[in-house]
Amino acid sequence: NAGVTQTPKFRVLKTGQSMTLLCAQDMNHEYMYWYRQDPGMGLRLIHYSVGEGTTAKGEVPDGYNVSRLKKQNFLLGLESAAPSQTSVYFCASSYVGLAVYEQYFGPGTRLTVT
Amino acid sequence: AQKVTQAQTEISVVEKEDVTLDCVYETRDTTYYLFWYKQPPSGELVFLIRRNSFDEQNEISGRYSWNFQKSTSSFNFTITASQVVDSAVYFCALSGPNYGGATNKLIFGTGTLLAVQP
Repeated sequence: NAGVTQTPKFRVLKTGQSMTLLCAQDMNHEYMYWYRQDPGMGLRLIHYSVGEGTTAKGEVPDGYNVSRLKKQNFLLGLESAAPSQTSVYFCASSYVGLAVYEQYFGPGTRLTVT
Repeated sequence: AQKVTQAQTEISVVEKEDVTLDCVYETRDTTYYLFWYKQPPSGELVFLIRRNSFDEQNEISGRYSWNFQKSTSSFNFTITASQVVDSAVYFCALSGPNYGGATNKLIFGTGTLLAVQP
């Protein structure tokens, strides 16, 4: 099992450009998440999905859009990149049950916006 | 509101020393879950432990141990006989109960950077 994979691993964008980050998981998890990690701020939730075809806003959703057309994939889009979106982006997935279970993270995508 | 505080920004120890990483949380939920993750220099996030609010038993896994105390809202992590490979950023995280889709979100602390010197 590959677990959670993310593409690309690195990307440099110019202000105003757009891009899509792809997350894929092979654990049949229902829940998927996108976080951003900035120095001194821990991880902050951007958007999440509780199942195929559903998405919801997290703590810092502005400037991002997401889609979950297939259960195993969760896409994060930046329509018009800004320098404030320079960050490391992590995708995660988790099992659903009566309890709350741990999230498994991808390796991250380092994005620089100039 | 939920909040996780890791007051120790950086800790430096010499190999074989014991070290405790502090985590203090705030929540109004009676059911909640606490987690620890490790982020080594390579950057990935590695799950270490999950604990629910009804289980206050301390846990030990090899050189790692966790002390959960509801009375002080703390979930501290101790590494015994530290090794260079323990050098990483460690995150504590909190989640509320599972309301069937709207939660399961993790609130992360800002992390503690542990440097173990040889």
